[in-house]
Amino acid sequence: EPEVTQTPSHQVTQMGQEVILRCVPISNHLYFYWYRQILGQKVEFLVSFYNNEISEKSEIFDDQFSVERPDGSNFTLKIRSTKLEDSAMYFCASSARAGGLNEQYFGPGTRLTVT
Amino acid sequence: GESVGLHLPTLSVQEGDNSIINCAYSNSASDYFIWYKQESGKGPQFIIDIRSNMDKRQGQRVTVLLNKTVKHLSLQIAATQPGDSAVYFCAEQTGYGNKLVFGAGTILRVKS
Repeated sequence: EPEVTQTPSHQVTQMGQEVILRCVPISNHLYFYWYRQILGQKVEFLVSFYNNEISEKSEIFDDQFSVERPDGSNFTLKIRSTKLEDSAMYFCASSARAGGLNEQYFGPGTRLTVT
Repeated sequence: GESVGLHLPTLSVQEGDNSIINCAYSNSASDYFIWYKQESGKGPQFIIDIRSNMDKRQGQRVTVLLNKTVKHLSLQIAATQPGDSAVYFCAEQTGYGNKLVFGAGTILRVKS
């Protein structure tokens, strides 16, 4: 069964450093997403991406965040200057279409620890 | 483990019993609802979904009920098994937007 993959599984970085989290969505999917989950809290939407541009973003997704689809398979989330409060699990998801009844498949996540 | 630091409601059930997990959603305009299961160290896994023009949908061992009047969603798991132990989240989506808004989650513990 096709699945979303993410690397690395765990990233430790110092405050102020840049990090890039990588995702390989399911191959025939067209819509891509990033979510995050701070320990003990609910999953929060960050950004959705379609046709090489951001289609929607949350208040969390400020100027420090960016997304890119550098080639036909990878989808990346960059945090330019990490803060302690960026420590969380970051989940990538993809779907074949937008809207209801179009299941978003989630990857296993990257645990980001900012020290 | 997954439960460290979590302060979520917990439902403990005996293996073989039925489980009911509840969720209150916030947006009366939401027209698509999904239940996700999250096991320790993994991403959310799709269980079952329902559109707002339905009030019930059944899958294998799972049933989702939607009550739009009180903005309430429930997940029923029949004959609960140890492998069902996880955190369960409801999520809602509005119109053709892609954003999923997740609820707070419920921990399901199955006792053998």
